[in-house]
Amino acid sequence: EIVLTQSPATLSLSPGERATLSCRASQSVSSHLAWYQQKPGQAPRLLIYDASDRATGIPARFSGSGSGTDFTLTISSLEPEDFAVYYCQQRSNWPKTFGQGTKVEMK
Amino acid sequence: EVLLLESGGGLVQPGGSLRLSCAASGFTFSSYAMSWVRQAPGKGLEWVSAITTSGDITFYADSVKGRFTISRDNSKDTLYLQMNSLRAEDTAVYYCRGYTSTRDYWGQGTLVTVSS
Repeated sequence: EIVLTQSPATLSLSPGERATLSCRASQSVSSHLAWYQQKPGQAPRLLIYDASDRATGIPARFSGSGSGTDFTLTISSLEPEDFAVYYCQQRSNWPKTFGQGTKVEMK
Repeated sequence: EVLLLESGGGLVQPGGSLRLSCAASGFTFSSYAMSWVRQAPGKGLEWVSAITTSGDITFYADSVKGRFTISRDNSKDTLYLQMNSLRAEDTAVYYCRGYTSTRDYWGQGTLVTVSS
């Protein structure tokens, strides 16, 4: 099973600041990595698939990069609605594991 | 409008069974692979099971293998999860998800509580 390790666990930032979230895989997943956003009481929402492709309707301030074992989700300038928990998921091997999440909280 | 509506959750005793259903609408159900993802209270997401578009191939997390069975009825646009031998650690919100390589739809989840 591929283990995904996200860092940091919590990111405390202010609106307008840049957020950089990391996801590291225990073995290569090529570019088969997705990022999700989850707000309290809501289902996750797909942001990025195939490491760097934005899902339909996702604002351009969200971007993904990386391949192999190291991936990054960047939010260029935080909006108030971006404070949430973010998960990465590898889509390379079964089981399709998730990282433990990074909480982006308002400073 | 895409809608995935889960049902069948509730309180069950350890060792008991439940069958979750997920009714889909607003997209071509038979063209989407489907999966179940769960989230224990206050915890992260855990992938549980998946099934191919035709239903001929299924996959399971080790934590549920041999106890849970995923299935689908493309004539009814419905996904199922039969859960047997339930344990306290199966307590979670169970989300139904439909996906292709570029699209991804989630239901709002149904709560399963395993407790005596």
